[in-house]
Amino acid sequence: AAGVIQSPRHLIKEKRETATLKCYPIPRHDTVYWYQQGPGQDPQFLISFYEKMQSDKGSIPDRFSAQQFSDYHSELNMSSLELGDSALYFCASSPSLRDKETQYFGPGTRLLVL
Amino acid sequence: AQSVTQLDSHVSVSEGTPVLLRCNYSSSYSPSLFWYVQHPNKGLQLLLKYTSAATLVKGINGFEAEFKKSETSFHLTKPSAHMSDAAEYFCVVSGNTGNQFYFGTGTSLTVIP
Repeated sequence: AAGVIQSPRHLIKEKRETATLKCYPIPRHDTVYWYQQGPGQDPQFLISFYEKMQSDKGSIPDRFSAQQFSDYHSELNMSSLELGDSALYFCASSPSLRDKETQYFGPGTRLLVL
Repeated sequence: AQSVTQLDSHVSVSEGTPVLLRCNYSSSYSPSLFWYVQHPNKGLQLLLKYTSAATLVKGINGFEAEFKKSETSFHLTKPSAHMSDAAEYFCVVSGNTGNQFYFGTGTSLTVIP
């Protein structure tokens, strides 16, 4: 079965640079979620989109922005990167109808800021 | 408000013995509850979920969990641990809108040969 795809899987950036993470949800899933998991931490919700509109917002810094496109893929844009942004970034998707409460996670993008 | 408390940050069991990972939740409504597993350097895999149907939920790899409303608990169990079960386990409650997830702090399971 198709799963959530995230790219890149690994990314190394320097402080003050920008980064773009991409997420391709499971086919026919129209809701996308972004989470940040710091070293040894539990995942923290950042933001979510339903039908290309922002549906919920968590602890996403103002330096970050995200959007969902017409093909339902989503991008997380991160600017003025800081050392503390080094983390594993997960994307998850869910369908709008049956099983809508279950989120299916991608493998994550590991971001290292030097 | 929703929150999840995983009562043990580390659990160590011998191979072939039962596993018990404890989770308590707090919610102002009837929640949906999940257990996810994360193997080292891997993504989050859904083990099982409770969404107001049967209170005893069976998941993959022999895991199951029982929703106890009176105790606000959703403990994860497995009769016999395998070496491959060694991983980080997260108990999760969904938000009121069924949108964002609230994660527990995780329980690291070690299986001793």
